[in-house]
Amino acid sequence: EVLLVESGGVVVPPGGSLRLSCAASGFNFDDYTMHWVRQTPGKALEWLCLISWDSSEIRYADSLKGRFTVSRDNTEVSLSLQMTSLTTEDTALYFCAKDLGDNTWSLDSWGQGTLVTVSS
Amino acid sequence: SYDLTQPPSVSVSPGQTARITCSGAGLSRQFSYWYQKKPGQAPVLVMIKETRRASGIPERFSGSRSGTTVTLTISGVQAEDEADYFCQSSDPRLTYVMFGGGTKLTVL
Repeated sequence: EVLLVESGGVVVPPGGSLRLSCAASGFNFDDYTMHWVRQTPGKALEWLCLISWDSSEIRYADSLKGRFTVSRDNTEVSLSLQMTSLTTEDTALYFCAKDLGDNTWSLDSWGQGTLVTVSS
Repeated sequence: SYDLTQPPSVSVSPGQTARITCSGAGLSRQFSYWYQKKPGQAPVLVMIKETRRASGIPERFSGSRSGTTVTLTISGVQAEDEADYFCQSSDPRLTYVMFGGGTKLTVL
């Protein structure tokens, strides 16, 4: 069974930085592209980024304006998201998700999410 | 950018058919997917490449595409189907992924 567990979500002041982690198990982590997605308080899903199995391909949503950096460690079976210059608009539930595979860029398994609140 | 447009809400009575649409110029060139999101739960992949049900999804869920509009159809809606549904696709050059704004399905 695929299991994805996000961590690192906290209350952070505007302008701050935060690193989220995602621990993966139940599948061959180094075979799959991974994604980060967030759900804002208004309930919309917003795709943030993806990283290919070998980190050779990384894509970001234009809206992030270079503030977020995704990385992965296949030996540690983990995914990370480094977030900087946080604003209140970054307040959201952050999910990591596994790609279905075959370059579909669809997300077939999701974690439960970790909550990031940007507030003074 | 290739936006995906969904109706904010759809309401049906139990046993009826619910149809949730997703429109976008890029949908004629890229595959699309549907997700179900219930409060407090992780999103669940429902439909793959418009018409293929994901693993474990009941047969009452089906999908179709006509031009630049894709439709998720739930036949014989049950109370447990009440959720937010999101369509998803990517741009033709595979540089980003996008979600529709989501549709809240209410089972009356």
